[in-house]
Amino acid sequence: QVQLVQSGAEVKKPGASMKVSCKASGYPFTGYYIHWVRQGPGQGLEWMGWINPNSGGTKYAQRFQDRVTMTRDTSINTAYMEVNSLRSDDTAIYYCARVVEMTTPRAGMDVWGQGTTVTVSS
Amino acid sequence: DIQMTQSPSSLSASIGDRVTITCRASQSISSWLAWYQQKPGEAPKLLIYRASILQSGVPSRFSGSGSGTEFTLTISSLQPTDFATYYCQHFDSYSGFGQGTRLGIK
Repeated sequence: QVQLVQSGAEVKKPGASMKVSCKASGYPFTGYYIHWVRQGPGQGLEWMGWINPNSGGTKYAQRFQDRVTMTRDTSINTAYMEVNSLRSDDTAIYYCARVVEMTTPRAGMDVWGQGTTVTVSS
Repeated sequence: DIQMTQSPSSLSASIGDRVTITCRASQSISSWLAWYQQKPGEAPKLLIYRASILQSGVPSRFSGSGSGTEFTLTISSLQPTDFATYYCQHFDSYSGFGQGTRLGIK
């Protein structure tokens, strides 16, 4: 079945980096954009950016431009998101999600990973 | 950056009620809007995309309308499984979510 499986929970110290993986299965990986979204404790959803798994092209939310890098490895159908210079307010659940329509980043996301909990604490 | 203003932030309703949630964009986003339902401890679930297209498998009591700057999500007859938080998301050159609407039982 179509699914996205994310890497496990992480605990990081302030100033460190984190890298979350998102492995796709059950559909043509390069045909669908992937977005990354986070949700702080008790907070709403926050959009971080997207990656085109076909070209590797990316678009990042302006507030994350200098700290986030999204990549992919098409040989293993996996997308990655790296966040640098972590702060305590980066503590959140991080989700990857696939766009419902092929070849566009601009429709909704119909398949979501299970979420990766990242805790930033000294 | 486009700002999405979602209202109300919370509401209480009864089984069988008709409920409407609104999202307003700070500038036109054509029909590039999606709606999600999220329950505690779960990932969001896509309900509507391109403002009015019902996602496969979503009950027909959910509907979306609007274009430009004003959009609505309507639940025609509330069911027990509908009590959750709802978010809108725009897809302009960037993307972003509304602040959410918590739908509780009256």
